[in-house]
Amino acid sequence: GAGVSQSPRYKVAKRGQDVALRCDPISGHVSLFWYQQALGQGPEFLTYFQNEAQLDKSGLPSDRFFAERPEGSVSTLKIQRTQQEDSAVYLCASSVHRDREYYNEQFFGPGTRLTVL
Amino acid sequence: AQTVTQSQPEMSVQEAETVTLSCTYDTSESDYYLFWYKQPPSRQMILVIRQEAYKQQNATENRFSVNFQKAAKSFSLKISDSQLGDAAMYFCAYRSNEDTDKLIFGTGTRLQVFP
Repeated sequence: GAGVSQSPRYKVAKRGQDVALRCDPISGHVSLFWYQQALGQGPEFLTYFQNEAQLDKSGLPSDRFFAERPEGSVSTLKIQRTQQEDSAVYLCASSVHRDREYYNEQFFGPGTRLTVL
Repeated sequence: AQTVTQSQPEMSVQEAETVTLSCTYDTSESDYYLFWYKQPPSRQMILVIRQEAYKQQNATENRFSVNFQKAAKSFSLKISDSQLGDAAMYFCAYRSNEDTDKLIFGTGTRLQVFP
């Protein structure tokens, strides 16, 4: 595809509901990242995949947050029992691969704005 | 842990003028990258410019340039000949080259451009 796509663009959930946010990275991109951007703040790292392997999930705020990328392409971020503090924009980014010798740009999707009522 | 600080929540500039956005960071690492990203209302993060820490020469990209002061841990962005399309949120970001590729962002500066 032309870029990173995310769906839905907007999601409204009632407190306690489960939600699933989808990210379609650029075809062939090995690395995939999820970030959470609260209103008026910069994005904060949630988790990182290299192909299907979740190599870093240190940013996930609680065990209600779960991410997967089973076939090394599309990724889903799932939030169980949503709380009001989960309201934020969730950004997905992908890059070609990790290379210490050369910087590979992270390309961002448009994000999913989650509102928990 | 690394941190990125942007102390200017908002800045404004007149069209065709020059503006400088400030960023400081804290790290004990020697091998890293620094970035400026632009986020328009559409929310799509766009890379503006990057700087490798091992390079002493300041990066430039057309009307955008940085002033990288490694010892002072300062990384400011200068926008020359400002255009209305430059209006957006600007985020400074850090990426370690000794860890995963995750980006650490500052809180952002909202830039307004007046005709």
